[in-house]
Amino acid sequence: GQQLNQSPQSMFIQEGEDVSMNCTSSSIFNTWLWYKQDPGEGPVLLIALYKAGELTSNGRLTAQFGITRKDSFLNISASIPSDVGIYFCAGHKAAGNKLTFGGGTRVLVKP
Amino acid sequence: NAGVTQTPKFRVLKTGQSMTLLCAQDMNHEYMYWYRQDPGMGLRLIHYSVGEGTTAKGEVPDGYNVSRLKKQNFLLGLESAAPSQTSVYFCASSNNVPTGVIYGYTFGSGTRLTVV
Repeated sequence: GQQLNQSPQSMFIQEGEDVSMNCTSSSIFNTWLWYKQDPGEGPVLLIALYKAGELTSNGRLTAQFGITRKDSFLNISASIPSDVGIYFCAGHKAAGNKLTFGGGTRVLVKP
Repeated sequence: NAGVTQTPKFRVLKTGQSMTLLCAQDMNHEYMYWYRQDPGMGLRLIHYSVGEGTTAKGEVPDGYNVSRLKKQNFLLGLESAAPSQTSVYFCASSNNVPTGVIYGYTFGSGTRLTVV
């Protein structure tokens, strides 16, 4: 079953706000990845993290690989309407080549 | 570059019918995967392949079969469709790096399947 707990499950954003989401696991991963899925499309890789403690940015996105290797965080600064979508975390262990995905965080625009 | 291409994009099946979903990748990736995505369930792995001629079961394999006769293609078959198989299906592929470092999966744009 699913081993990654992603939170929040959904959130509303207002343009200009900073947004945070996280992913936790009971087991250790050696690589953390963050994906975004736009409506009607497949997930697209945003950021990859390979070392515990690593902090990596991609434009307004910043992600961190937790020191314990059991968690990861994604921050979006100064959100814009096109940030809406579903964000997935994924972890990879040394053995094998399959990713484990979190349940996703759905980002919506405040009405 | 096309990346990962899935066909068809949409399909409606009657219960008991069969169909095959096709996934093609042009990146010379060794590994290919089939996922299903359901509301609130995230991505669940159905079957995967670590190379031409090989397949393996994922998290939710029941009711599905796969084949990888050519490196660039990974087929997902439903022999007797059931309403519980209504879902969005995603194919993905990835590199095979000897060190085990993974650079992420490349996903197709999905096939939306409805079984009535």
